[in-house]
Amino acid sequence: KNQVEQSPQSLIILEGKNCTLQCNYTVSPFSNLRWYKQDTGRGPVSLTIMTFSENTKSNGRYTATLDADTKQSSLHITASQLSDSASYICVVGFQKLVFGTGTRLLVSP
Amino acid sequence: KAGVTQTPRYLIKTRGQQVTLSCSPISGHRSVSWYQQTPGQGLQFLFEYFSETQRNKGNFPGRFSGRQFSNSRSEMNVSTLELGDSALYLCASSSNDGLYTDTQYFGPGTRLTVL
Repeated sequence: KNQVEQSPQSLIILEGKNCTLQCNYTVSPFSNLRWYKQDTGRGPVSLTIMTFSENTKSNGRYTATLDADTKQSSLHITASQLSDSASYICVVGFQKLVFGTGTRLLVSP
Repeated sequence: KAGVTQTPRYLIKTRGQQVTLSCSPISGHRSVSWYQQTPGQGLQFLFEYFSETQRNKGNFPGRFSGRQFSNSRSEMNVSTLELGDSALYLCASSSNDGLYTDTQYFGPGTRLTVL
């Protein structure tokens, strides 16, 4: 069964600290892996898109890594800000995208 | 460029009714995808339209249908509403000329409540 599992489910960190979110997937066929940020009450916003041949991609303070052999990805957030408080969703797939249930991040002052 | 717009933003219906949701993609985008988001299931893919043709479909019953017009605007219809259809329905557009690696831009969603 095609699945995307994210951990942790929720996370609280202090402003200015770094954090890493995890994503494991069993989706096949695999074309690309995406990370989205979703603020409460709003639609998701794309952070990164990686194909199977890429193993790292950055977008400002967000850095995603991909290990296609172990089917694992991580999203690293550097020097967190209060505005980083949101749900982060890992998405994997080819034509039909499979979504993880997300990690809810709260950045505390 | 204007972003993806969805109407209405909020909707309350009763069981058995039907509903139509509308999505206007970013100008120039030909791919429109629809998703259902619930607290329990997260985001789930409903279907994708490209140049007025349904290109991909998720695992939802036939009560969920959609269409795309020549101007790329898309509508989603749910017939015989059930309580479990209460969700946030999101629409996303991309230029997506077959590469499936294009960035998707999401609208704000339509919050449907079925009573």
